[in-house]
Amino acid sequence: SQKIEQNSEALNIQEGKTATLTCNYTNYSPAYLQWYRQDPGRGPVFLLLIRENEKEKRKERLKVTFDTTLKQSLFHITASQPADSATYLCALAAGGSYIPTFGRGTSLIVHP
Amino acid sequence: EADIYQTPRYLVIGTGKKITLECSQTMGHDKMYWYQQDPGMELHLIHYSYGVNSTEKGDLSSESTVSRIRTEHFPLTLESARPSHTSQYLCASSESGSPVNEQYFGPGTRLTVT
Repeated sequence: SQKIEQNSEALNIQEGKTATLTCNYTNYSPAYLQWYRQDPGRGPVFLLLIRENEKEKRKERLKVTFDTTLKQSLFHITASQPADSATYLCALAAGGSYIPTFGRGTSLIVHP
Repeated sequence: EADIYQTPRYLVIGTGKKITLECSQTMGHDKMYWYQQDPGMELHLIHYSYGVNSTEKGDLSSESTVSRIRTEHFPLTLESARPSHTSQYLCASSESGSPVNEQYFGPGTRLTVT
């Protein structure tokens, strides 16, 4: 069955360091991959979208890579700040309906 | 801040009651979605719509129903609430045009059925 795996353990890092979050998937051929941020009790907020034929996408301090051979996406936040503390969700969309399927998310905690 | 609204934000009701969760967006998006999310878990798609008079069931079996009479409005109804319906319900919308566009989410409704 299709599976999206994100590390269930929280990632704790010091302010100023680069945070790297992983999204692995199996039995899936996504055409698009998105990353969202979710704060407690709120709806997710879109961050970045990357297509299957793109290797990397950047937006300010954010960088996403997409390796369809490894079936993995990495999400990087450089120069992390305590305000970056949140849960980060990856979402995959494949042909057909193209409606994203979400992973469980990884909690990031940036310590001052 | 996305222009998508959900009411109520919190709701506690007894078993057997009929409830409607409201969702409205002012962005003119054709596509709208309802997701269910339990704490620390994935979002599960329960219903979606590609436009007026279009509704489809999602991946997660749900006893709820939806309607799409106006572009901006996508209410979700539970005819008879049960404790198993206790969850967070998130509404989202997105533009048409590309196969995949970013989804704009509302703040959610936290439902507790006693």
